[in-house]
Amino acid sequence: QQQVKQSPQSLIVQKGGISIINCAYENTAFDYFPWYQQFPGKGPALLIAIRPDVSEKKEGRFTISFNKSAKQFSLHIMDSQPGDSATYFCAASGVNRDDKIIFGKGTRLHILP
Amino acid sequence: DAGITQSPRHKVTETGTPVTLRCHQTENHRYMYWYRQDPGHGLRLIHYSYGVKDTDKGEVSDGYSVSRSKTEDFLLTLESATSSQTSVYFCAISEVAGFVYEQYFGPGTRLTVT
Repeated sequence: QQQVKQSPQSLIVQKGGISIINCAYENTAFDYFPWYQQFPGKGPALLIAIRPDVSEKKEGRFTISFNKSAKQFSLHIMDSQPGDSATYFCAASGVNRDDKIIFGKGTRLHILP
Repeated sequence: DAGITQSPRHKVTETGTPVTLRCHQTENHRYMYWYRQDPGHGLRLIHYSYGVKDTDKGEVSDGYSVSRSKTEDFLLTLESATSSQTSVYFCAISEVAGFVYEQYFGPGTRLTVT
């Protein structure tokens, strides 16, 4: 029940295309859903996050879509660029200080130039 | 990197030796975390700390111990390193952002146990 399932494991997209990464969770107590971006040799960096009171959040070319009833959320990268090539992790947590963040297993994204 | 440094950045050690990794932060964050990252497993929590001398276990704590004698330093010790502990280790802190607590990660330590 604590798992966050992420798919696909790897994704190849043409430059200018839309990259879509999906995640699903089971624990209805989760109340905060961040996405992290990680470049090789670096630590994960917080990219964008959403809470379930909204169905969509957009920051530049990055959009989170959230479906509370289906317990699913996804990251969309519009106009994907080679610089977006990285590993992306979805995650879920409660909002209390002692709540742990549960991470998906990651998606390795490669944007073809 | 939210003022987080990790040392060493790379280490190769032999099976059975003790190893200590250090996480240092400069912004007085109360909560600190140690994760390991392995292909196909994502990020898994090893131990965390919620204040000086206050620590607790995470999901994969067996074979690891931690200590926090100062707010700025959180140490992870492998008592007797094994090959299964070859991994990339990340330290993180959390800070409040509105109604949630966001986690920020350090640059990582790549540990190889031969």
